[in-house]
Amino acid sequence: GIQVEQSPPDLILQEGANSTLRCNFSDSVNNLQWFHQNPWGQLINLFYIPSGTKQNGRLSATTVATERYSLLYISSSQTTDSGVYFCAVDFFFGNEKLTFGTGTRLTIIP
Amino acid sequence: DVKVTQSSRYLVKRTGEKVFLECVQDMDHENMFWYRQDPGLGLRLIYFSYDVKMKEKGDIPEGYSVSREKKERFSLILESASTNQTSMYLCASSSQDRVTEAFFGQGTRLTVV
Repeated sequence: GIQVEQSPPDLILQEGANSTLRCNFSDSVNNLQWFHQNPWGQLINLFYIPSGTKQNGRLSATTVATERYSLLYISSSQTTDSGVYFCAVDFFFGNEKLTFGTGTRLTIIP
Repeated sequence: DVKVTQSSRYLVKRTGEKVFLECVQDMDHENMFWYRQDPGLGLRLIYFSYDVKMKEKGDIPEGYSVSREKKERFSLILESASTNQTSMYLCASSSQDRVTEAFFGQGTRLTVV
């Protein structure tokens, strides 16, 4: 069936380190979003990126739709980057619904 | 900036009570969604609405209903709350042009005792 898999499931880093989070998806997509869920539970939009590369400050994302994956890069991590990162995919045959990955829990240690 | 506001951050209700979770968005979005999030199960779509007075079942609608009387407001109703409805509830909205570019509220953590 259609799937969205994220890796790694957990990541613990020292403040200042860089990280790469991966999202693999099983079929063609119309859209892919990256979210950060902060410790209070809110999902914050990071990128709307069905293909290509985007950058926003210390964060950037790349989606290679033909190879069915997306990467989220976080540089110079800060403690406020801690939380769970989700990718969510609108599959081409998915009736315009988002399918969420299982998330990567990132913990930044001071 | 899109703002999606949920009426409560935390709620504690008793089994059998009728519970209303309210969500308001200020970006004139056509589409609104209710999800629940549970450990190990991720986010699951309960109901969505693409227009006033319109609603569609998501993946897990049982035990829930919704109301959308005004474009900016989407309510989730638990007719008779049960302990297995203890969860984090997340509301989202999106525009007609980008249906699946969703913007989320801050979440409501509901505990049914």
